[in-house]
Amino acid sequence: DADVTQTPRNRITKTGKRIMLECSQTKGHDRMYWYRQDPGLGLRLIYYSFDVKDINKGEISDGYSVSRQAQAKFSLSLESAIPNQTALYFCATSDSGQGSGEKLFFGSGTQLSVL
Amino acid sequence: SQKIEQNSEALNIQEGKTATLTCNYTNYSPAYLQWYRQDPGRGPVFLLLIRENEKEKRKERLKVTFDTTLKQSLFHITASQPADSATYLCALQAGTALIFGKGTTLSVSS
Repeated sequence: DADVTQTPRNRITKTGKRIMLECSQTKGHDRMYWYRQDPGLGLRLIYYSFDVKDINKGEISDGYSVSRQAQAKFSLSLESAIPNQTALYFCATSDSGQGSGEKLFFGSGTQLSVL
Repeated sequence: SQKIEQNSEALNIQEGKTATLTCNYTNYSPAYLQWYRQDPGRGPVFLLLIRENEKEKRKERLKVTFDTTLKQSLFHITASQPADSATYLCALQAGTALIFGKGTTLSVSS
């Protein structure tokens, strides 16, 4: 089984719909992240969470919200999807690092298409 | 403004040659820099981490250098193989999160 699992793998939705992408992990890591990847723009950070009670905005958080339901679960919501949110979304985890360098472990991604 | 730049979007080399990928950054002072590999349709996979006080790091056929004066990291794959074909991303710590470059897609032909 994958250590970082994202569901669904693919999703097609219409403009204005609410959609939730889910991420669960079995690595026991405290830190979880949501990135989106667009051709030519690379990976960009949407939100991150260092523990269950901690939520932080990344560089492109507008139009998104997140919920950290448990240490192992971190979901990303699009309250009202728009076409420019069409992208490949990745969830990632890391342990605390504490100066040792945080290595990220990524899920397989969710390809979202907003029509 | 802060930037991470990887020298080219695509690099094509022949099998057996050494591939060299470049990552430059401006307006950052990272304590460490990382390299990841990404295959099509998959999430990035961690390869190597190098700290600011390390000049060079090796792992099998991979070598990474880190020059904090030039604000540059070089990523080398020696004796490259077609299986090394992938997109390679550099990443560095910016505040409390990891920021990625856009990646360089390496194609190794046999």
